[in-house]
Order: sequence, then structure tokens, then C-alpha cells
Amino acid sequence: KAGVTQTPRYLIKTRGQQVTLSCSPISGHRSVSWYQQTPGQGLQFLFEYFSETQRNKGNFPGRFSGRQFSNSRSEMNVSTLELGDSALYLCASSLTGFHGYTFGSGTRLTVV
Amino acid sequence: AQSVTQLGSHVSVSEGALVLLRCNYSSSVPPYLFWYVQYPNQGLQLLLKYTTGATLVKGINGFEAEFKKSETSFHLTKPSAHMSDAAEYFCAVSEEEYGNKLVFGAGTILRVKS
Repeated sequence: KAGVTQTPRYLIKTRGQQVTLSCSPISGHRSVSWYQQTPGQGLQFLFEYFSETQRNKGNFPGRFSGRQFSNSRSEMNVSTLELGDSALYLCASSLTGFHGYTFGSGTRLTVV
Repeated sequence: AQSVTQLGSHVSVSEGALVLLRCNYSSSVPPYLFWYVQYPNQGLQLLLKYTTGATLVKGINGFEAEFKKSETSFHLTKPSAHMSDAAEYFCAVSEEEYGNKLVFGAGTILRVKS
């Protein structure tokens, strides 16, 4: 079965712009969670959506937001980009934690 | 809140030698534990997971890990390292009080010498 698809793979944006990243989970998975990976901070949880509802949110500023659609696809948005937002953004698809989490290949965002 | 500590940010082994990557966790409830591997510019690939049942868990590519509740550890081992094992490895615990969320350790970069 198809895995987790993240688009685009690479993005270059300018400070102050906004960006939208997309994640399509494995068919049947209703939970999508997002993570930011940077060399300095490692892997940090951004938020998790289940059936279009945000259930949990990490410690990130309000510039980071997300949503989930009825087909379970999820988007995350970062507004007013800062240089420090440069990172690999990963999404994970799951049924439950018991079943595990499957990650996409990520979106590499570079802010210049 | 749960947390994960990976001892050693870099581990170097010779090809054919034992691989041991250490992971300790803190959790107030029975944890779900995971090991992931990441190759450069790629996402995370699940190596193995512990949820319930047998405490010795076998994963892909010859890796295994043992859940030891008394030591709050979940160390990853492989009897014989291969060059293709060179990558970064992450231990994680699932925190599910308010939805699905993984808490990761800082990662261990494994180098395999020929």
C-alpha cells in the first residue's frame, strides 16, 4: 500500500513569506502528526490531528498552524518565516501509537 | 511528561563488530517504545517497536532491542555491523494522553569502519 506522501520535497523561501506543506497519510490512518527537525533542537513535535481536530500541540509560536481535511490529508502553514524556521519538516501517519507511526520523506525548507 | 535519553551522540564500530546503541526513557505509564533510522536527506524508517508482550523485540536488518522495565531502558543491538548500517538512529516513546505524539531522543550517529 502507498506510504506517507509529503509535498514538496524542497522549498526555498524568503524571510517574511509564508509557506504551506502537505502530507497525505496512509489510507485508513486518521492521525497525522508533524515534527520539525533541526541540527540544534533535534526532532520536535509540532501538532497532531485526528479526524480534522487538533488533539495536541507542541511548544511552537502561533505562526505555525495546521489543519486536516475530511480525507485525512493534512497541511501545515508557517507564516512570517524566520531564518530559524529552516528545517526538515516530517509528518507521521498512524492508527494509534500501539500500531506505530509511519513517516514521510519530509519537506526540506530553507529560509533565506 | 515523558522523555528519552540516548547515551552517546556518536558511536563508531568496525564492520562485523557488535552494535550497541543505548536508550533510556522516563514514563509514568507503560510505554510504547520505538527505534527509527534516518539516512541523509530522508525521513525516518521504523526499525522496531515495543508495545506489549515479549520484551525482546526483533526488527528489520538484523536489529533487536530489549525492553527492561526495571532499568527503564530499550537498547538497540545488532550482532555484526555492516557498512550500510551507517546512519543516525533515534529512540522514541509514544505519549498518548492527548493524542498520538512521539517524544524523541537526540539521536546517535553510527559510523561503521571498514
